[in-house]
Amino acid sequence: EAAVTQSPRNKVTVTGGNVTLSCRQTNSHNYMYWYRQDTGHGLRLIHYSYGAGNLQIGDVPDGYKATRTTQEDFFLLLELASPSQTSLYFCASSFQNQAPLFGEGTRLSVL
Amino acid sequence: GDSVTQTEGQVTVSESKSLIINCTYSATSIGYPNLFWYVRYPGEGLQLLLKVITAGQKGSSRGFEATYNKEATSFHLQKASVQESDSAVYYCALSDRMGYKLTFGTGTSLLVDP
Repeated sequence: EAAVTQSPRNKVTVTGGNVTLSCRQTNSHNYMYWYRQDTGHGLRLIHYSYGAGNLQIGDVPDGYKATRTTQEDFFLLLELASPSQTSLYFCASSFQNQAPLFGEGTRLSVL
Repeated sequence: GDSVTQTEGQVTVSESKSLIINCTYSATSIGYPNLFWYVRYPGEGLQLLLKVITAGQKGSSRGFEATYNKEATSFHLQKASVQESDSAVYYCALSDRMGYKLTFGTGTSLLVDP
């Protein structure tokens, strides 16, 4: 069964902290995405990738790095976390021209 | 840029009543987008509810329907008779013809009263 798995599901850190959010897909999809979801904004694209080693900038990339280490794994890095990055983060994967399949989300709180 | 507007942040409907959730879009850079409805049930991730890529066509799933109206730039979601299990957050979205990067609306939270 197609799946996108995010870890951790919940994370609390302090301002200035270092956070890595992980995403793994077992669907052989070439595209992977990181979105953030905030009240009043819907989901906004942070970064995406179309294959291992590739990274594309999304619509709200400031303060975030990302790395696609394999076809399956896509990581979102917050090297100096700020309270404005408190959000619900979704990872997704797809083939081109296919509706993305989403994970269950990671809730991040930056105190 | 491109955008999706959902005017209702929260909707409450009694069970077995009809539902319409409004969605309009602006796709100035795309012109002819693909349109989607996603749903997020409590405690779960987003699930694709339906997708339509051709103007004038209707998509349907789980009793929900949406018609791609290119003239009105709308993609309203409708259901004739809602159930309590339909309580969720519904997101309208668009993508370009390449079909992978999505632009989302702000979501509409549906509460169905039993």
